[in-house]
Amino acid sequence: ELKVEQNPLFLSMQEGKNYTIYCNYSTTSDRLYWYRQDPGKSLESLFVLLSNGAVKQEGRLMASLDTKARLSTLHITAAVHDLSATYFCAVDAYGNKLVFGAGTILRVKS
Amino acid sequence: NAGVTQTPKFQVLKTGQSMTLQCAQDMNHNSMYWYRQDPGMGLRLIYYSASEGTTDKGEVPNGYNVSRLNKREFSLRLESAAPSQTSVYFCASSAYMGDSSYNEQFFGPGTRLTVL
Repeated sequence: ELKVEQNPLFLSMQEGKNYTIYCNYSTTSDRLYWYRQDPGKSLESLFVLLSNGAVKQEGRLMASLDTKARLSTLHITAAVHDLSATYFCAVDAYGNKLVFGAGTILRVKS
Repeated sequence: NAGVTQTPKFQVLKTGQSMTLQCAQDMNHNSMYWYRQDPGMGLRLIYYSASEGTTDKGEVPNGYNVSRLNKREFSLRLESAAPSQTSVYFCASSAYMGDSSYNEQFFGPGTRLTVL
């Protein structure tokens, strides 16, 4: 059974600081997705990572995938308040299905 | 394009009542999904449909039924609601068509269901 673990589950950080969210998964996959969810809202697709070594960047967020280590990271550079949200990784290991991590709640304090 | 739409947005039921959650997408996607979201547990797949006319169980199907009415619409039915089904329900769709494609899913706004 595929398991997806995110850590930390809660992250409180100061504006301007850098931090990384980790997503580990238990079986082979080369397809991983990151989503953002604002409180009371739906999920918004952030990044699609489709191969080992894939790196995608959008603004202050950068995601990478290491399929050999079964690890994806979401790096936050110089955090701003607008990045406060819950971030989910999801792993595609069974073709038509995704398995989601529990989510990381990010709070950026000014 | 509206993307993925869901109705209703909120619902309160009494234990034992039934209801159907509606979902529609206008992106011509083949695959559609129903998830539930509970605090601290991420999203868990209830049922999915890889194409019109097919449905399959996900991780937590007990107490639910689904219908893929046509390519656009995928409904979720609770026959006899229980307090354990209090949750936020999300519908999603993707263009996934098989091993050569990837499964980026697009989500609806959600239905917040409370069962008393």
